[in-house]
This record gives sequence, C-alpha cells and structure tokens, in this order.
Amino acid sequence: DTGVSQNPRHKITKRGQNVTFRCDPISEHNRLYWYRQTLGQGPEFLTYFQNEAQLEKSRLLSDRFSAERPKGSFSTLEIQRTEQGDSAMYLCASSLEGNRYGYTFGSGTRLTVV
Amino acid sequence: GENVEQHPSTLSVQEGDSAVIKCTYSDSASNYFPWYKQELGKRPQLIIDIRSNVGEKKDQRIAVTLNKTAKHFSLHITETQPEDSAVYFCAATIANAGGTSYGKLTFGQGTILTVHP
Repeated sequence: DTGVSQNPRHKITKRGQNVTFRCDPISEHNRLYWYRQTLGQGPEFLTYFQNEAQLEKSRLLSDRFSAERPKGSFSTLEIQRTEQGDSAMYLCASSLEGNRYGYTFGSGTRLTVV
Repeated sequence: GENVEQHPSTLSVQEGDSAVIKCTYSDSASNYFPWYKQELGKRPQLIIDIRSNVGEKKDQRIAVTLNKTAKHFSLHITETQPEDSAVYFCAATIANAGGTSYGKLTFGQGTILTVHP
C-alpha cells in the first residue's frame, strides 16, 4: 500500500506530557495537510505544507502545537503539555500539484489524553 | 472564512431507497466540492467530487449536484445498499483554475447514513 501512512495509530498519554505524530505522504505528493477530528464532527483544518514550507495555520493551532516538514517529505505534529481537550483523531492528507485527484487521507492517529 | 453546513445529521433508509444529503457553503470563491465516506475507525475516502464549472456529475449510483447561485450542493445515492451505511462528509475549498491545486478543505458536520436491509 503506497498510501498516506500515519504513526502511531493510537496514543494514550497523561495530561501535561508531550506527544509527536508522524505522517508519511504519498511519495510524489508535494502538499501535506493536518486535520483534527473529534467524535461526531467533520475534520477541522490545522495546517498545511507545500514541500517544506508551511503555507497556512489555523487559529486552532495554539502555541502548544507545532508542525514541521523538514525535507519536504514526512511531517511531524507535536503537541506540548497535552490537555484533555486535545483528545481527537489527527488526520494527515496529501495531494500533488498538477493532479486533479484531490486529497488522499491517512488512517489517522487517535490521541487519548488521560 | 468558509463555513459549510450539512443536513441531515442522521438519515435512515430502507435498502433500495434513495438518500439525499445537502450542504450549503458561504464563500462564493469556493469552486471544488468533494464528498467523503468514512466508515467507523477508517480514513475518509473520496467518493465523488464536483467543480464549479459543472452543475451535475454522476458515477454509477452516486450523483452530486451544484447550485452556485444558491451556494448549495447535494449528494444523491440511489438503490441504497447496506454497505452504503457510513458517515458522509461534504467539503469545500478553492482550487486553482486548472483544478490541480487545492488549499484547505472546510468540512460539513457529517451525516450518519444507515441503510436497513
């Protein structure tokens, strides 16, 4: 399967701890997006990259959140000092400029903050 | 920014019936409208999309219509089957003129579709 890969699939952490998630997009895709989805809601945009440049960040992305895509390939999303309200599914997606097929989503990382 | 409203939040139909899900958007600049199906615990999967230069698109049992003037678009599923049961999300974004570059997606709240055998 050469789709979008996310690790870990599940993460349980204690409040106040830092967590980091990884997303490996489809290899030729130059755009990478992060979304957050809570139960019963649609995905909410967090941020996206074109190659290594972070082009847009949502106001949902507080100072505790940081995302990187250092070499324009995989991306990491770090949450510092986690809070219970951070519990959600974190979805990554990728797309290719010049491709009319839109986004491909990963299976997500489910974060539970206890 | 863009705001997408989706209705109904739940939809229950008998196998073989049709199902219709409706969405409205607020930003007249939006020009790409995908629909995603998400099964429990799985990734959203694109099932059909429409661009603002067409009013309707059909793919087998699934069709999408777009009314740019009213800023609403709808998903139509005919001859529903139990395997169509899932959460369906509409979304909107601004794509470039060639439809090959996409910004962030704004999603609706989702519709839980249940198809009873």
